[in-house]
Amino acid sequence: NAGVTQTPKFQVLKTGQSMTLQCAQDMNHNSMYWYRQDPGMGLRLIYYSASEGTTDKGEVPNGYNVSRLNKREFSLRLESAAPSQTSVYFCASGATYEQYFGPGTRLTVT
Amino acid sequence: RKEVEQDPGPFNVPEGATVAFNCTYSNSASQSFFWYRQDCRKEPKLLMSVYSSGNEDGRFTAQLNRASQYISLLIRDSKLSDSATYLCVPSSGGYQKVTFGIGTKLQVIP
Repeated sequence: NAGVTQTPKFQVLKTGQSMTLQCAQDMNHNSMYWYRQDPGMGLRLIYYSASEGTTDKGEVPNGYNVSRLNKREFSLRLESAAPSQTSVYFCASGATYEQYFGPGTRLTVT
Repeated sequence: RKEVEQDPGPFNVPEGATVAFNCTYSNSASQSFFWYRQDCRKEPKLLMSVYSSGNEDGRFTAQLNRASQYISLLIRDSKLSDSATYLCVPSSGGYQKVTFGIGTKLQVIP
């Protein structure tokens, strides 16, 4: 039982490059979330998906897109990376307040 | 007023000590509360859910004071492994309302 997995663990991008962060969960949860965490700041919700086939914006959606591929997988795409997107990205699944997080992706945009 | 306010710390306590920190919330309609812990450079993990006046799990006790709108987390017999940041999350309705603050950093020293 892996819980929530994320790939990659680390990534360095140049400004303007694109990439997709992958997330998968094996807990049969309907809801999945993407957060970013910057030094000295709390988690900020980027996008969430209440169920397969639905996605909604969170607090900081600009510059990101998401895809809920199926019940297990929820991906986050950066179309044109900017240095301001340097952060740690966490995927989570579960109920609204009882969430299970993946190990995170540390992204640096130069 | 912020939705959630916590003293960021750090709280430096010796091993074996009892430590308590508070979380003040602004939404008087919050019915349930959740404590997460986040180890340095790791993902947050759900520590405890509080649906009534409090909850106890081993060395950890959460107590809710609705009149003063705060919830406290008490840790008895602190262990080195308790060193982490503790995040308080009050319920306030809807995915977009999930607020993770910066938490309170606890450092247990030998």
